[in-house]
Amino acid sequence: GAVVSQHPSRVICKSGTSVKIECRSLDFQATTMFWYRQFPKQSLMLMATSNEGSKATYEQGVEKDKFLINHASLTLSTLTVTSAHPEDSSFYICSARRDRGKSPLHFGNGTRLTVT
Amino acid sequence: AQKITQTQPGMFVQEKEAVTLDCTYDTSDPSYGLFWYKQPSSGEMIFLIYQGSYDQQNATEGRYSLNFQKARKSANLVISASQLGDSAMYFCALNGVSGGSYIPTFGRGTSLIVHP
Repeated sequence: GAVVSQHPSRVICKSGTSVKIECRSLDFQATTMFWYRQFPKQSLMLMATSNEGSKATYEQGVEKDKFLINHASLTLSTLTVTSAHPEDSSFYICSARRDRGKSPLHFGNGTRLTVT
Repeated sequence: AQKITQTQPGMFVQEKEAVTLDCTYDTSDPSYGLFWYKQPSSGEMIFLIYQGSYDQQNATEGRYSLNFQKARKSANLVISASQLGDSAMYFCALNGVSGGSYIPTFGRGTSLIVHP
């Protein structure tokens, strides 16, 4: 159990376009979802926390107008990178949790975004 | 504020031997959770083991065990009988309260290489 599906796994887009990444919890209801960004050989950097039905909480330094997060249902959260630039190229990975407490995070397989 | 520290950027171990990956943490919250995740080169984050701050016994999951020393604020991961497939990045994470919600914080990770 506790499967999280993330799509697409890889995407290449042109500078100035927008890209949407989906994160779905397949066999449980995810009260909370987290979006991370990971640079090569580095740790996961938390971008934002999203709770179903409410606005996402962004970490300091993350542009909320650039990285739009929507958590419309208990099984789906989306991250849209708007007007992407080459510096947005990175590995983005989502995770989901059944509650707002201490239970483990379950991760999607990540999305490798390349902006040309 | 919460902090998680992994001081070993890289570790090497011989196949079939045991290895300990270090993790120390700091939090002012008495209720928290500690996790270990494995990230192979393919990128997915695989949940390995969980330890709650009030758990009396050290967590074990197959070949993985967590050496939890609460007074020292350490939560080291022990992998017994290492296998070649254990070669990966390993992240320790602390799930503690931040701004009223449980927010996971990840360490920098340890790269484990298992030699045949």
